[in-house]
Amino acid sequence: GENVEQHPSTLSVQEGDSAVIKCTYSDSASNYFPWYKQELGKGPQLIIDIRSNVGEKKDQRIAVTLNKTAKHFSLHITETQPEDSAVYFCAPAYTDKLIFGTGTRLQVFP
Amino acid sequence: EAGVAQSPRYKIIEKRQSVAFWCNPISGHATLYWYQQILGQGPKLLIQFQNNGVVDDSQLPKDRFSAERLKGVDSTLKIQPAKLEDSAVYLCASSSLLGAVYEQYFGPGTRLTVT
Repeated sequence: GENVEQHPSTLSVQEGDSAVIKCTYSDSASNYFPWYKQELGKGPQLIIDIRSNVGEKKDQRIAVTLNKTAKHFSLHITETQPEDSAVYFCAPAYTDKLIFGTGTRLQVFP
Repeated sequence: EAGVAQSPRYKIIEKRQSVAFWCNPISGHATLYWYQQILGQGPKLLIQFQNNGVVDDSQLPKDRFSAERLKGVDSTLKIQPAKLEDSAVYLCASSSLLGAVYEQYFGPGTRLTVT
């Protein structure tokens, strides 16, 4: 089955700095690459996604880059704010089956 | 639009007891998922429904877990009897799967503690 790993597992940054989280996956058939944000006591929320025919996508302070050859994709958050503090999950998928990664806890200090 | 609703939000039971969780997906979403999220891990799919039919239940421990989605709308997930290792957050998600869109919308989850 699909093996999904995230690095780092925890990340602490100063407000205003950038944060990058990397997700590696094993199933070369994966064609959908979302990132979810989960705040304490809440369900995961989709923040950005990309499909296999696109290399990069940006939405304001958030971007995702995909390297299908190397089987990894990354989440980039610029100008981090305290409200970005949460656990982030990648969930690569083939068809509609999301396989969640191990999670990265991001802490943004004021 | 209203999001995915789940109840109860918290439940504490003793091992060997039974428990049921309820989910109401976003209106019009044909696909419904139940996930189990153990503390410190990512969600793991338990079962997927398309309308009122089961698409995938390969990860559901069928000796103790059951789920149904009558009329293709609300769904219930039951555990009987519960074990200590069932302590987790149970998340419900729904998706419209229009075209090639796979975005899943999650509810707030039910936190189950088995003592």
